Amino acid sequence: NAGVTQTPKFQVLKTGQSMTLQCAQDMNHNSMYWYRQDPGMGLRLIYYSASEGTTDKGEVPNGYNVSRLNKREFSLRLESAAPSQTSVYFCASRPAAGEQFFGPGTRLTVL
Amino acid sequence: AQTVTQSQPEMSVQEAETVTLSCTYDTSESDYYLFWYKQPPSRQMILVIRQEAYKQQNATENRFSVNFQKAAKSFSLKISDSQLGDAAMYFCAYRMNSGYALNFGKGTSLLVTP
Repeated sequence: NAGVTQTPKFQVLKTGQSMTLQCAQDMNHNSMYWYRQDPGMGLRLIYYSASEGTTDKGEVPNGYNVSRLNKREFSLRLESAAPSQTSVYFCASRPAAGEQFFGPGTRLTVL
Repeated sequence: AQTVTQSQPEMSVQEAETVTLSCTYDTSESDYYLFWYKQPPSRQMILVIRQEAYKQQNATENRFSVNFQKAAKSFSLKISDSQLGDAAMYFCAYRMNSGYALNFGKGTSLLVTP
């Protein structure tokens, strides 16, 4: 039981490049989330998925797209990376009755 | 919108002593949950303690306890017998009972000195 896994752990991009952050959970949770954490800030919600096939915007969705590929996987895509998207990205999942489990995070730097 | 405020950017405590981290929140909801998360240098987010708003009794987990004042919208974390491993960022967070996502404060960095 690996919990919530994220790949990659670190990534450096140039402005304008695209990439996809991968997240998978093996706990059979319905809900999954993407957050970003900037220096001196708590985590802020980018997108979430309450169940397979549904996604909704969070507090800071601009510049991102998501895909809930199946119950296990929830990916975050940056189509044209900008320096303002330099951050640490966390994926989380949550069971119907319970609290969120977080992945280890991805540190992304956009030059 | 709900907001969570942590007014102490940094706190320091000596090993074996007690420290209290403050958190206030703003909501018009009556049914919600409050949390404290710990983030050590590894970046992993670890749930420390959870409080349901409808419960009057303060939650406790071993050396960690909360002081939940619903009318004052205050939710402080007390760490007793502090250990070096308690050094981390601590985040207060809020979730509506019917909500999906967590709203986080900006965090308090806790330093534990020998």
